[in-house]
Amino acid sequence: EVQLVESGGGLVQPGGSLRLSCAASGFTFSNFWMSWVRQAPGKGLEWVANIKPDGSQKYYVDSVKGRFTMSRDNAKNSLHLQMSSLRAEDTALYYCARMGNGWGYFDYWGQGALVTVSS
Amino acid sequence: DIVMTQSPDSLAVSRGERATINCKSSQNLLATSNNKNCLAWYQHKPGQPPKLLIYWASTRESGVPDRFSGSGSGTDFTLTISSLQAEDVAVYYCQQYYSTPQTFGQGTKVEIK
Repeated sequence: EVQLVESGGGLVQPGGSLRLSCAASGFTFSNFWMSWVRQAPGKGLEWVANIKPDGSQKYYVDSVKGRFTMSRDNAKNSLHLQMSSLRAEDTALYYCARMGNGWGYFDYWGQGALVTVSS
Repeated sequence: DIVMTQSPDSLAVSRGERATINCKSSQNLLATSNNKNCLAWYQHKPGQPPKLLIYWASTRESGVPDRFSGSGSGTDFTLTISSLQAEDVAVYYCQQYYSTPQTFGQGTKVEIK
């Protein structure tokens, strides 16, 4: 059974940093593109970032470029999102998601990690 | 960026009746590499992660009831729930994966009338 479990969410002050992690199991992690998708309170879904199976290519939504860094450890079946210079508008539930068959739809999602940016 | 626009924003349908959600993209989503439309549909219930229903515009994900169907091509797409059940109450999103950034529609809230 495919499982994605996020951790690392919490309350952080504006300008602060936070690192999210996602533990993957039930599939060959190193074969799949992975993503982060977020949902701000009362808003819709927003794609945040993708990473290639070998970690060599990463893509980010413009609003987080230069502030967020996505990485993966295929030996540990884990995904990470290092977030810095956090803003109030980054407040959201962050989902780890698997991209299906190398294409950009998301076939499995974690339960999400809540990030709140507030003073 | 490709803009995805759903209509309506919300709809209320009687149990057993048909629900139809439309999704329009600002660009053609037909991939020339495989002649398929790069469009997915998700169901999102409160307190749960989104669930993939449909990909390639009309391919139903494994385990999804056959009352859910997707259609359309190019820039205009439709998700149809043929006979609405109580458990289908949710917000539904379309999403294009033709190009990065992958973008979602604003969502359509489906309720029981």
